Amino acid sequence: EVQLAESGGGSVESGGSLRLSCAASGLTFSSYWMHWVRQGPGKGLVWVSGINTNGRSTDYADSVKGRFTISRDNAKNTFYLQMNSLRAEDTAVYYCVSEMGKGAYWGQGALVTVSS
Amino acid sequence: QTVVTQEPSFSVSPGGTVTLTCGLTSGSVSTSYYTSWYQQTPGQAPRTLIYSTNIRSSGVPDRFSGSILGNKAALTITGAKAEDESDYYCGVFMGGGSWVFGGGTKLTVL
Repeated sequence: EVQLAESGGGSVESGGSLRLSCAASGLTFSSYWMHWVRQGPGKGLVWVSGINTNGRSTDYADSVKGRFTISRDNAKNTFYLQMNSLRAEDTAVYYCVSEMGKGAYWGQGALVTVSS
Repeated sequence: QTVVTQEPSFSVSPGGTVTLTCGLTSGSVSTSYYTSWYQQTPGQAPRTLIYSTNIRSSGVPDRFSGSILGNKAALTITGAKAEDESDYYCGVFMGGGSWVFGGGTKLTVL
């Protein structure tokens, strides 16, 4: 059974930083693109960032480019989202998602709250 | 910037058939966009129903099907059940590693 488990969410003041982690099990982690998707309170899904299998190719939504960094450690079956210069509009549940083009698995989400 | 469009809401009777669509503000959706469909109930994480336009994820009932209709991707529910009342999102591959979601469709079964 595939499981994705986020950790590292919490509350932070505007301008602060947080690092989300996503631990994967039940899949050949190093073979999958991995993504972060967020959902603001009462809002829809928004793709945030993706990273390829070896970590050398990354992509970001314009809204987070230059502030967020995605990375992965295939030896630990874990990938990360370093979030800097956080803003109130970054408040959301952040989901880790596997290989969006091939039957994606979703984590349960981590809540990030940014107070202004 | 291309925006992905979905109907904000839709209603279907139990046992009925409904087709939700996913379009682009500029251009047509084709199989090259690898459209995925996701179902989300309140307070829960999304669940993948369809990927690569028309491939059902493991465990998804066959009343859910994906296709291309005209210039849009489509999700059809045939024989809707009360448990299908959810929010439905489409996701479209934009190249590189990037994806864009539609705004979601709130489906009511009554």
